[in-house]
Amino acid sequence: IAGITQAPTSQILAAGRRMTLRCTQDMRHNAMYWYRQDLGLGLRLIHYSNTAGTTGKGEVPDGYSVSRANTDDFPLTLASAVPSQTSVYFCASSDLAGAGRDTQYFGPGTRLTVL
Amino acid sequence: GQNIDQPTEMTATEGAIVQINCTYQTSGFNGLFWYQQHAGEAPTFLSYNVLDGLEEKGRFSSFLSRSKGYSYLLLKELQMKDSASYLCAVLSNDYKLSFGAGTTVTVRA
Repeated sequence: IAGITQAPTSQILAAGRRMTLRCTQDMRHNAMYWYRQDLGLGLRLIHYSNTAGTTGKGEVPDGYSVSRANTDDFPLTLASAVPSQTSVYFCASSDLAGAGRDTQYFGPGTRLTVL
Repeated sequence: GQNIDQPTEMTATEGAIVQINCTYQTSGFNGLFWYQQHAGEAPTFLSYNVLDGLEEKGRFSSFLSRSKGYSYLLLKELQMKDSASYLCAVLSNDYKLSFGAGTTVTVRA
């Protein structure tokens, strides 16, 4: 059982280019999330999806889009990358079953540098 | 929104005890989580509190006081491998997690 996988592990990208970060989970969790982590700021929620077919905006959604065509996959797209999007990106998933079963489990992360 | 505060850094000696405090102000509360994150790795789940009181799990314990908006993570019998960042996170009523900036704990021999 892999849990959550992310690809690529790291990427250097020219400003203005389009980039999709991939995230796949095999735990059949209902909800999936994308965070970015920057020094001194902690993890900030970009977008989330509580169930396949639905998505919502988090704290810092500008410049990012997501889709949730099925339960397992939750790609994050940067339409036109800018240097301020240089960060470490984590995907997470949870069961959203309540009663303490809402723990989020994280993928290994993607380190993105935009030049 | 959420406002979550925790100390930036703490240093302790191997075998000692360290307590990491977390205070929060939230517009809704559905539980508090602690995660451990080693440098260059993903956060991993440590503990969950939704009711007031102490939850103990081996060398790690977590405490919650909802009326005071306060939690702490207690690490006992510190080991070198406990050197990491510890993240306090609050789950809101709409099931979104808001994180503090993290506390970096350094364990010295």
